[in-house]
Amino acid sequence: DTGVSQNPRHKITKRGQNVTFRCDPISEHNRLYWYRQTLGQGPEFLTYFQNEAQLEKSRLLSDRFSAERPKGSFSTLEIQRTEQGDSAMYLCASNGDTEAFFGQGTRLTVV
Amino acid sequence: GENVEQHPSTLSVQEGDSAVIKCTYSDSASNYFPWYKQELGKGPQLIIDIRSNVGEKKDQRIAVTLNKTAKHFSLHITETQPEDSAVYFCAASYTGNQFYFGTGTSLTVIP
Repeated sequence: DTGVSQNPRHKITKRGQNVTFRCDPISEHNRLYWYRQTLGQGPEFLTYFQNEAQLEKSRLLSDRFSAERPKGSFSTLEIQRTEQGDSAMYLCASNGDTEAFFGQGTRLTVV
Repeated sequence: GENVEQHPSTLSVQEGDSAVIKCTYSDSASNYFPWYKQELGKGPQLIIDIRSNVGEKKDQRIAVTLNKTAKHFSLHITETQPEDSAVYFCAASYTGNQFYFGTGTSLTVIP
């Protein structure tokens, strides 16, 4: 499968715990995006990388959120001290030129 | 920043009829307009896109039109089939930057 891969697909965590998600983009794509999607809404931008450089962060990305792309390939998104409001689908997308392709997402449920 | 509005939020059509979804955008710098189809529990799937130097693009039963002056673009699905039932999102971006999404249209094709 040469598409965007996200792991895990589902994560249930207790409030206050830390969680980390992984995204493996399409191999030749140098841009990688993280989005968050809540029920009935479109994806909301969180942050994006060009190679290993994090170029833009949304105001939605509080200081509890951190994203990395250390070698310009896969990326991780960590949420510290999770809150119930963090429950959402976290989507990763990658593109090389213009078209962006999304992964299947990680659905986070904070209980 | 960019603001994308999408209408209608829900749409029901009889199998074989056409469906039209409309979006407007606010930033005249946006030059790339993709459409995504999202099925329950899955990530958005790119179905068609259009760049600002083109007014219309067609791919089999799917077409997209763009009016740069009015800042609106539309998705047209002809000869709808039950498998077209899904949530459709429009998006706008300036090449290389983040994508701004509409709020989605839930399309139901009634057999």
